[in-house]
Amino acid sequence: RKEVEQDPGPFNVPEGATVAFNCTYSNSASQSFFWYRQDCRKEPKLLMSVYSSGNEDGRFTAQLNRASQYISLLIRDSKLSDSATYLCVVYSSASKIIFGSGTRLSIRP
Amino acid sequence: ETGVTQSPTHLIKTRGQQVTLRCSSQSGHNTVSWYQQALGQGPQFIFQYYREEENGRGNFPPRFSGLQFPNYSSELNVNALELDDSALYLCASSQQSGANYGYTFGSGTRLTVV
Repeated sequence: RKEVEQDPGPFNVPEGATVAFNCTYSNSASQSFFWYRQDCRKEPKLLMSVYSSGNEDGRFTAQLNRASQYISLLIRDSKLSDSATYLCVVYSSASKIIFGSGTRLSIRP
Repeated sequence: ETGVTQSPTHLIKTRGQQVTLRCSSQSGHNTVSWYQQALGQGPQFIFQYYREEENGRGNFPPRFSGLQFPNYSSELNVNALELDDSALYLCASSQQSGANYGYTFGSGTRLTVV
C-alpha cells in the first residue's frame, strides 16, 4: 500500500463547477500536510497548507481529518486556469516528504 | 528575492556514468530537499539537507548522494547511472525543515540516460 494515495483522475468538469479531491495517508504520525499544484512540464507550486480546523483561500478550501487519515481539497466556481495536476504532500515524523501521485483536473468551457 | 535555481536544465548521460546536479536555494532558506519525478508520477523524495547535514532520506540506493554547502546551495550526485534514472530531478528549499512552511521548487533538471 502506498503511503499517500490519490485518485489519479482525470476529473473533467465544466467551468463554474465545484470539484473535490481526497488524499489518504497511512502514517498516523504524519505532521504536516499541503496541497501543491503542478502545471504541465512545470515545477510544483504550493497551493495551501492543510490544518485540522480547515482553511480557506478564496475559492479553495482544504481540510484535514486525522481520525480517518485523509485530506481534502475543494475548489468552488472552477476556472479554466484551475486545470492542472493537484498533488497532496504529507510530511512524516522522520523528515520524509511524501507526495501523492497527483490528481489531474481539466476544466472545460 | 531570488527563487530556487537548478542547473543544468537538461542533460544526457550514458548508462554507467556519473552525474552532478546543482541547486541554489531561495534567499533565507536553509533546508534543501531533492526529488525524482518520472513522467506521469508524483515527485519521489530522495533526501533532505538541513544546515549541511542529511536529515531525511527516501527509498533510494546509496549511489544517490548529496551535499549542502555553507551558503545552503546543494548538489545531487548519482553514480553508475541506469536507464531508469531518466527523470525530472527537482530541488526544493524551505525555511527550517519545511514542516510548517512548505517548499519552493526549482524548475528542475531533466536527465536522460541512454
